[in-house]
Amino acid sequence: DTAVSQTPKYLVTQMGNDKSIKCEQNLGHDTMYWYKQDSKKFLKIMFSYNNKELIINETVPNRFSPKSPDKAHLNLHINSLELGDSAVYFCASSQWAEGGETQYFGPGTRLLVL
Amino acid sequence: AQKITQTQPGMFVQEKEAVTLDCTYDTSDPSYGLFWYKQPSSGEMIFLIYQGSYDQQNATEGRYSLNFQKARKSANLVISASQLGDSAMYFCAMRELDSGNTPLVFGKGTRLSVIA
Repeated sequence: DTAVSQTPKYLVTQMGNDKSIKCEQNLGHDTMYWYKQDSKKFLKIMFSYNNKELIINETVPNRFSPKSPDKAHLNLHINSLELGDSAVYFCASSQWAEGGETQYFGPGTRLLVL
Repeated sequence: AQKITQTQPGMFVQEKEAVTLDCTYDTSDPSYGLFWYKQPSSGEMIFLIYQGSYDQQNATEGRYSLNFQKARKSANLVISASQLGDSAMYFCAMRELDSGNTPLVFGKGTRLSVIA
């Protein structure tokens, strides 16, 4: 069973379109994240949600809007896609437990804007 | 200022040898967590190992161990008995814990190539 799943895995679209990426975790974690990995492999946080509430919103264009309908889901909607949005987007979830914390990542969504 | 520094953009290691991937971090929080992730060419991010700042012992998970030197602010990953399947990008990351639910901050990664 996949712990953190994302759909779609690949997304190719034209500039100006609106698209959504879905993320679901079946781990019962309280906190979920969206990260962006650019062409140089650098990973950077975009958003963080804890129990459906937005707690971190890094400097991200407001064309990006996360939505968390429940604790297990954190979707990412992108309006008016631009060429620079091409990247791999990772969803992740985490929970504290005795012995430390583990952050599990989804498989990533490879977005290509043409 | 960069919070996580991985100074080795690429590393080579002979199969069955051990290899150390360097990571230094910068934080003023006394409470933080350090993570290592592996990203193979298929692209997924695989969690390898975690070290808490208050952990007395170095973390170990199978062939992975974390050489945690708190005074030097370093958290190097040691892979013993390298296998061809270890060839991948490796990312060091940190989460500061005193500031609430902060996300991971990643280093730029080290590409490890295991040679037969």
